[in-house]
Amino acid sequence: GEDVEQSLFLSVREGDSSVINCTYTDSSSTYLYWYKQEPGAGLQLLTYIFSNMDMKQDQRLTVLLNKKDKHLSLRIADTQTGDSAIYFCRNSNYQLIWGAGTKLIIKP
Amino acid sequence: DAGVIQSPRHEVTEMGQEVTLRCKPISGHNSLFWYRQTMMRGLELLIYFNNNVPIDDSGMPEDRFSAKMPNASFSTLKIQPSEPRDSAVYFCASSLPGGVPHGYTFGSGTRLTVV
Repeated sequence: GEDVEQSLFLSVREGDSSVINCTYTDSSSTYLYWYKQEPGAGLQLLTYIFSNMDMKQDQRLTVLLNKKDKHLSLRIADTQTGDSAIYFCRNSNYQLIWGAGTKLIIKP
Repeated sequence: DAGVIQSPRHEVTEMGQEVTLRCKPISGHNSLFWYRQTMMRGLELLIYFNNNVPIDDSGMPEDRFSAKMPNASFSTLKIQPSEPRDSAVYFCASSLPGGVPHGYTFGSGTRLTVV
């Protein structure tokens, strides 16, 4: 079946860039999404990319999409303590396949 | 808009008891989703409604779980009888038709503990 995979943890120093990766199997998704879940809260849409784009930049966030390799990444520039959260990628078909989430840990 | 509203925020119950979780979607959203999140299994889609009709309930773990959506502004997820392995955070989410990116919104979740 369809699948979305992410590494479970990422640890970076405050001020460095964070790169969170996601691989997926479904090539028919119109959009691919990144969600952020802060402790004790629900998931919030962070950003998304249309499947015919390679890159999307939004302030400190850069989304890269490699459709050939079915690889999606989220880069957070100048990582801050407020970026500590779990980041989920997901596809857009109705089954709504979610990755397991990557916990971003910020070291001072 | 107040967003997707779930109640209660926390629920502690004894094994064997019935538990009812509630969700009020965003007005105008016609799709509603129930998810369960645990450390072991991550985020799991339990059931998905479109226009108040259950479309896909293949994620519902077993017959102890049931979900209803009697109208466009209210849904319930019931567990009867509850078991300790049901302990998790249960999220409700709603979306606009067609899954428009900005129209998919999660509630804050209900943390269920079954002792």
